[in-house]
Amino acid sequence: GENVEQHPSTLSVQEGDSAVIKCTYSDSASNYFPWYKQELGKRPQLIIDIRSNVGEKKDQRIAVTLNKTAKHFSLHITETQPEDSAVYFCAASYGPGNQFYFGTGTSLTVIP
Amino acid sequence: EPEVTQTPSHQVTQMGQEVILRCVPISNHLYFYWYRQILGQKVEFLVSFYNNEISEKSEIFDDQFSVERPDGSNFTLKIRSTKLEDSAMYFCASSDFSGGARRDTQYFGPGTRLTVL
Repeated sequence: GENVEQHPSTLSVQEGDSAVIKCTYSDSASNYFPWYKQELGKRPQLIIDIRSNVGEKKDQRIAVTLNKTAKHFSLHITETQPEDSAVYFCAASYGPGNQFYFGTGTSLTVIP
Repeated sequence: EPEVTQTPSHQVTQMGQEVILRCVPISNHLYFYWYRQILGQKVEFLVSFYNNEISEKSEIFDDQFSVERPDGSNFTLKIRSTKLEDSAMYFCASSDFSGGARRDTQYFGPGTRLTVL
């Protein structure tokens, strides 16, 4: 099955700086890559996703890039704010109805 | 916006006891999932459920586990004889799968923290 690696495990940035979290996957058949944000004690919330037919997707301060050849995808958060502090998980899937294979998570701290 | 709900939020049980974790998926969703997250580890898939039967299950989902959709709204995970290593956060999720931009998206519940003593 699929194997997703995520790094770094922890990341601290100053407010206003950018944050980048990277994930790699092993199976080229994966075609859907969501990113979830989980605040302490709350449910994982989808923040952005990308499909394999797209190389980049942006939503305000958040962007995701996908390199199918290298089998890696990254989350970019610009102009970080303290409320961006949370654990971020990447995942890969073979498509609708299939399980998500999750990365190990990145704990992001934005220092005011 | 509709959300997946789970009960209880925290369950404490003795080793060997049976537990049932409950989930109410989003009402028009067709696929249901259970995942678990042992403290400090990654979220792991347990099982998916579609059209009243198991669609896919992982190696973790052994004979001690079962799932059921007892009515039109609830989706349950039963662990027959809990072990210490079953202590984890259990997440339920659901997805639409009816087409459109959100067909792949899985919406997660808030989780049930299971503690086995």
